[in-house]
Amino acid sequence: SQQGEEDPQALSIQEGENATMNCSYKTSINNLQWYRQNSGRGLVHLILIRSNEREKHSGRLRVTLDTSKKSSSLLITASRAADTASYFCATGLTQGGSEKLVFGKGTKLTVNP
Amino acid sequence: GAVVSQHPSWVICKSGTSVKIECRSLDFQATTMFWYRQFPKQSLMLMATSNEGSKATYEQGVEKDKFLINHASLTLSTLTVTSAHPEDSSFYICSASWGAWSNQPQHFGDGTRLSIL
Repeated sequence: SQQGEEDPQALSIQEGENATMNCSYKTSINNLQWYRQNSGRGLVHLILIRSNEREKHSGRLRVTLDTSKKSSSLLITASRAADTASYFCATGLTQGGSEKLVFGKGTKLTVNP
Repeated sequence: GAVVSQHPSWVICKSGTSVKIECRSLDFQATTMFWYRQFPKQSLMLMATSNEGSKATYEQGVEKDKFLINHASLTLSTLTVTSAHPEDSSFYICSASWGAWSNQPQHFGDGTRLSIL
């Protein structure tokens, strides 16, 4: 069943602008991860934030996690054309005694030069 | 580091053919590997989780006899789509991790686009 839902589904911005993508989920999680996928390629891991963490940075990326609202956001600052890709949140959770990583539907980001 | 290689990247074959896809971890020992299926413009759907040396755990609705998974070594897992039909056409992606994988990133291959005629 779908766990993470990204918002918006698609986002188009100009180079240099910031891009914010949101992810909401339904059940308690162990961690939340963000991945990037270029068209027709595999996924690249961006950031993992644990359930007891509230914010994490990596270069131009900033991820926040609000477990009370069951939501996370990914901020890309000073975007570049090369940031054009689909971005997925994935929730790490325990379900039926098994650990799983459940992906959302993704946000398609287009950065125009 | 943590490079995963997936082969082939693209395959076209006739209906009824069996197709094998390989997933290799090149610079680490992958104790756990995952196989996903992705439809156009959609999310990844987990098909199965495999641990080295043991049988794969399939997700509900995934046919074990249709999608055979083998994880015989710490660096190689294979997915065989048996007697493939057009409805099996999709983008298949593997990923790998190690140790307590649920609190670590998964490392993905570049995917295999399978087209069944």
